[in-house]
Amino acid sequence: GAGVSQSPSNKVTEKGKDVELRCDPISGHTALYWYRQSLGQGLEFLIYFQGNSAPDKSGLPSDRFSAERTGGSVSTLTIQRTQQEDSAVYLCASSKQGRDTQYFGPGTRLTVL
Amino acid sequence: DAKTTQPPSMDCAEGRAANLPCNHSTISGNEYVYWYRQIHSQGPQYIIHGLKNNETNEMASLIITEDRKSSTLILPHATLRDTAVYYCIVRVVGTNAGKSTFGDGTTLTVKP
Repeated sequence: GAGVSQSPSNKVTEKGKDVELRCDPISGHTALYWYRQSLGQGLEFLIYFQGNSAPDKSGLPSDRFSAERTGGSVSTLTIQRTQQEDSAVYLCASSKQGRDTQYFGPGTRLTVL
Repeated sequence: DAKTTQPPSMDCAEGRAANLPCNHSTISGNEYVYWYRQIHSQGPQYIIHGLKNNETNEMASLIITEDRKSSTLILPHATLRDTAVYYCIVRVVGTNAGKSTFGDGTTLTVKP
C-alpha cells in the first residue's frame, strides 16, 4: 500500500519568508509525528498528533513553528519568518495509534538562504 | 523514554553477518526496543522491534538479553545496500505513546 508522502520534496526559500510543508499519512493511521534532521545530526522531535489534536508539542523550537491536522489525515507544518537555522530535512511519520510502529515519509529538504 | 547508546561506526564485509549492538540499561518494563535505518537522503526505514523475546523477520533478527538492558540487530548476509545509519530506540507501549527519541545511531559500512 501507499506509504507516508510529503511535499514538496525540496524547498528553497529566502530568509524571512513563510513556508508550508505537507504530510499525507498512511490511510487509517491516527497518529502523526513531525521530526526534523539537521545535516549530519539525529532526528529531533517536533510535534505529535493523535487524530486532530496535538497532545505533545514540546519539540516545536519557537512560536514561529506551528502545525495543524485536519480530518484526522493530512498535516501541515508551517514555519513563519524562516531563519537560516531552520534549514533541515523535515520528516513526517504516522502510526496506527500512538503506541504502534512509526513509518516515515521521505522528508522535505528545506533550505533557507 | 530511555536513552540508548550505540557505537558510532562499524564495518562489515559483504556477505557476512553484521551484528549491531545497543545498550539500553534504563529501559522500563513497558518499553519496546525498535530498530530503524536511514540510507542517505531518505526517511528512516522500520526494521524490527521486540519486547522480551528474540524476533526475526525478512530483514533482520533482534536478540534481546534476558535482563533487557541490551540488544543486537543481526543482518545475516550484509549487502552493499545495507550501508546506512542504524538507530536503536526504545519506545513506550500504551496509548498516546507519542514521540520516539533517536540518538546518533551506528553508521554501518558494508565493504566489498
